[in-house]
Amino acid sequence: QVQLVESGGGVVQPGRSLRLSCEASGYTFSSHGMHWVRQAPGKGLEWVAVIWFDGSYRYYADSVKGRFTVSRDNSRNTVYLQMDSLRAEDTAVYYCARILGTIPDLWGLGTLVTVSS
Amino acid sequence: DIQMTQSPSSLSASVGDRVTITCQASQDISKYLNWFQQKAGTAPKLLIYDASHLRTGVPSRFSGSGSGTDFTFTISSLQPEDVGVYYCQQRDSLSALTFGGGTKVEIK
Repeated sequence: QVQLVESGGGVVQPGRSLRLSCEASGYTFSSHGMHWVRQAPGKGLEWVAVIWFDGSYRYYADSVKGRFTVSRDNSRNTVYLQMDSLRAEDTAVYYCARILGTIPDLWGLGTLVTVSS
Repeated sequence: DIQMTQSPSSLSASVGDRVTITCQASQDISKYLNWFQQKAGTAPKLLIYDASHLRTGVPSRFSGSGSGTDFTFTISSLQPEDVGVYYCQQRDSLSALTFGGGTKVEIK
C-alpha cells in the first residue's frame, strides 16, 4: 500500500524544538523528492520545505528559513523536519507530500504541532 | 515570487449545478497548475495536474483548463460528496509551492 505517515507532532513551548518524521511505504522512496506543507487551524495551505530525492537540494519558505531543517534517510524511507526556535505562528498540521515529476501527488494524513506556553 | 489569486473564496450551489473556480497567476506559469480537494479533517487530494489532466480514479465531472496566467476548475454536476475546500497550486523554478487561498464549496 502506497502511503505516507507523519509522526512527532505534539504540544511544545515557544522557543523549543521538535522533530517530525514522515515514513513512506509501498514505493521506491529514494526516487522521489518530498515536500513539507503546513496548515494553520482554519487557514489555507502553506509550503514549508522541499528536499530532492537524494538530499542534494533543499529549499525553505522564508517564514522558516534558519529555524527548520529538512533531511532524509533513504535507508529508512523517512524524511524529517527538524523545527527549532518554534513560535506560536508555527502551530499547524504538518503534511509531507511525495513529488512525482514536479507534482505533489501523494500526501500523508498530517501531524499536529501546537506551540503554546 | 509568483502569487496565486483564487476566486471565489466560497460558493454555495445546488446538487447538479455546474461550479466554476478560477485561479490567476501573477506571471506566466505555462501549464504548471494543479488542483486539490480537501475535505474536512483530511489531507489534500490531487484531482487535476498540469492544468487539465485528470488524475486516474478521479470522477470525470471534475475538469480543468487554462494556461499562462488564467486557469479554471469546473465541477460539471455538483454532488454532495464534493463539499470541501479546493486549492490551486503552482511550483516555481526553485521547487517552492504556492497555493491559492482556497474556495469553500457548500451545498445549497
